[in-house]
Amino acid sequence: AQKITQTQPGMFVQEKEAVTLDCTYDTSDPSYGLFWYKQPSSGEMIFLIYQGSYDQQNATEGRYSLNFQKARKSANLVISASQLGDSAMYFCAMREGGAGGTSYGKLTFGQGTILTVHP
Amino acid sequence: DTGVSQDPRHKITKRGQNVTFRCDPISEHNRLYWYRQTLGQGPEFLTYFQNEAQLEKSRLLSDRFSAERPKGSFSTLEIQRTEQGDSAMYLCASSLGQLYGAKNIQYFGAGTRLSVL
Repeated sequence: AQKITQTQPGMFVQEKEAVTLDCTYDTSDPSYGLFWYKQPSSGEMIFLIYQGSYDQQNATEGRYSLNFQKARKSANLVISASQLGDSAMYFCAMREGGAGGTSYGKLTFGQGTILTVHP
Repeated sequence: DTGVSQDPRHKITKRGQNVTFRCDPISEHNRLYWYRQTLGQGPEFLTYFQNEAQLEKSRLLSDRFSAERPKGSFSTLEIQRTEQGDSAMYLCASSLGQLYGAKNIQYFGAGTRLSVL
């Protein structure tokens, strides 16, 4: 079974609009972390935002926020006020176990969503 | 503060040749990871180091692959007798691992794109 599922292969948004990228996950571990990364065409994976399984509030980092619904096992990324430079591939990833747990922090990634921002 | 550096950025080789990639992590980071990413897919975990110790290897890492981190700083990933199926982007990441409560955010390099002809 897929541990991270991103059901949107591609998304389009108008500049200055908000967009939501979907991510669902599957784990039986009570302690886990969820990450979003951006990968522009240059190839580098850029960390955007993190949500811990025990965090009470949804994470926010500037224009990025994470809509964390634990019971539904979803961790959707919301980008507000889209910019042309936001056009890239976006990956959701999960780390199972605590930061020092036996998983050693390795990440499991989804297949990604290509976001295109139109002017 | 420099980020994670990978060298070379691109490598073209013929089937059967050996190749070696280098990764320089962020200087104070004790954890180093290698991932492989094929076209249109998310990265897949290959192996992990804590300081100089290789603590986990994925089943994806066949015996043709070997990774080292001799002094707990830079790391090398070698592929022997390359096959066309090895063509991919090889990504390195590093993090400051802490036992409890840490986000353990992994910061990635720009990757090495390998093409096996």
